[in-house]
Amino acid sequence: EVQLVESGGGLVQPGGSLRLSCEASGFTFSDPYMDWVRQAPGKGPEWVGRIRNKAMGYTTEYAASLNGRFTISRDDSQNSVYLHMSSLKTEDTAVYYCAREVRDNSAFYYFANWGQGTLVTVSS
Amino acid sequence: DNQMTQSPSSLSASVGDSVTITCRASQGIRNHLAWFQQKAGKAPKSLIYAVSSLQSGVPSRFSGSGSGTDFTLTINSLQPDDFATYYCQQYDTYPLNFGGGTKVEI
Repeated sequence: EVQLVESGGGLVQPGGSLRLSCEASGFTFSDPYMDWVRQAPGKGPEWVGRIRNKAMGYTTEYAASLNGRFTISRDDSQNSVYLHMSSLKTEDTAVYYCAREVRDNSAFYYFANWGQGTLVTVSS
Repeated sequence: DNQMTQSPSSLSASVGDSVTITCRASQGIRNHLAWFQQKAGKAPKSLIYAVSSLQSGVPSRFSGSGSGTDFTLTINSLQPDDFATYYCQQYDTYPLNFGGGTKVEI
């Protein structure tokens, strides 16, 4: 069974930093792309970014609206993906989900599994 | 950015009804369209990918169709477990983005 377990959320002051972790099990972690998606209270999901697999050089993509404040990394030996967040703003308050992406028949990647999420609250 | 517009934003239905949710992309997305179900306080759950392919374990009363810019999610014979919010999402171009959601209420 695929499991994704996020951790690291909490209360942080504006301008602060935080690192979220997502530990995976139940599949070969090195294969899929991994993403972070967030959801502000009462809003729909918002894609944060993606990290590709080793075969694709661990390259990353991010939502432009983040203006370079967030960085995604992964450690295949630990079956984990990370989200490093800096210069946090109150509008970054959200539940942060990690998601596993797999290939469809056209070789594009879609979200197949989601973690349970971890809440990040940015407030003074 | 490719904007995803869902309609309606909410609907009321009864157990046994069939419901259809529409999702429109502002630009063509080929068949790179997914649907998710989300219940209050829970993570989204993948239902459909590539417009019409059911994710493993998803009941066959869920179906998807469409092409280009216009897509639909249909739920036949609505069950109590189906009352939730549904989101479409395009994965054709960056940024990957979601529709605004459709809340299916009793």
